[in-house]
Amino acid sequence: EIVLTQSPATLSLSPGERATLSCRASQSISSYLAWFQQKPGQAPRLLIYDASNRATGIPARFSGSGSGTDFTLTISSLEPEDFAVYYCQQRGNWPPWTFGQGTKVEIK
Amino acid sequence: EVQLVESGGGLVQPGGSLRLSCVASGFTFSTYEMNWVRQAPGKGLEWVSYIGSSGSAIFYADSVKGRFTISRDNAKSSLYLQMNSLRAEDTAIYYCARGNDGLPDYWGQGTLVTVSS
Repeated sequence: EIVLTQSPATLSLSPGERATLSCRASQSISSYLAWFQQKPGQAPRLLIYDASNRATGIPARFSGSGSGTDFTLTISSLEPEDFAVYYCQQRGNWPPWTFGQGTKVEIK
Repeated sequence: EVQLVESGGGLVQPGGSLRLSCVASGFTFSTYEMNWVRQAPGKGLEWVSYIGSSGSAIFYADSVKGRFTISRDNAKSSLYLQMNSLRAEDTAIYYCARGNDGLPDYWGQGTLVTVSS
């Protein structure tokens, strides 16, 4: 089973700042990594798939990069609605789907 | 618009059973794989089970294998999860999620299952 490790656990930033979130896989998953956003009381929403492709309707301030075992989600300038928990997920070697433990982006 | 609506959650005693349903609309249900994913209170996401578009391919997480059964009815655009021998650690919000070659691209709003005496 592939283990995904996200860092940091919590990111404290102000609106307008740049956010950089990391996800590391225990073995290579090529580019088969996705990023999800989850707000309190809501279902996860797909942001990025295959490491760098934005899902339908996702603003351009969200971008993804990486391949192999190291991946990054960048939010170029945080908007108030971006404060949430972010999860990475792999489909490079499944089942099982595996998710990272999440990074909480909170208002500083 | 893709919609997934779960139902069937509730309070059940340890050792009990529950059947979850997920009704899909806005896409051709019979051509997509489907999954159940759960989230314990205050915790992260855990994949539970997968079923292929025709129902012939089925997988389970080790934590539920032998206790949970996934199924689907393509004529009714519906996905099911039969949960038996429930344990306290099964307490979670259960989401159905559409799979696109392993990518969970759309999620329902979830249904809460609480296992407690």
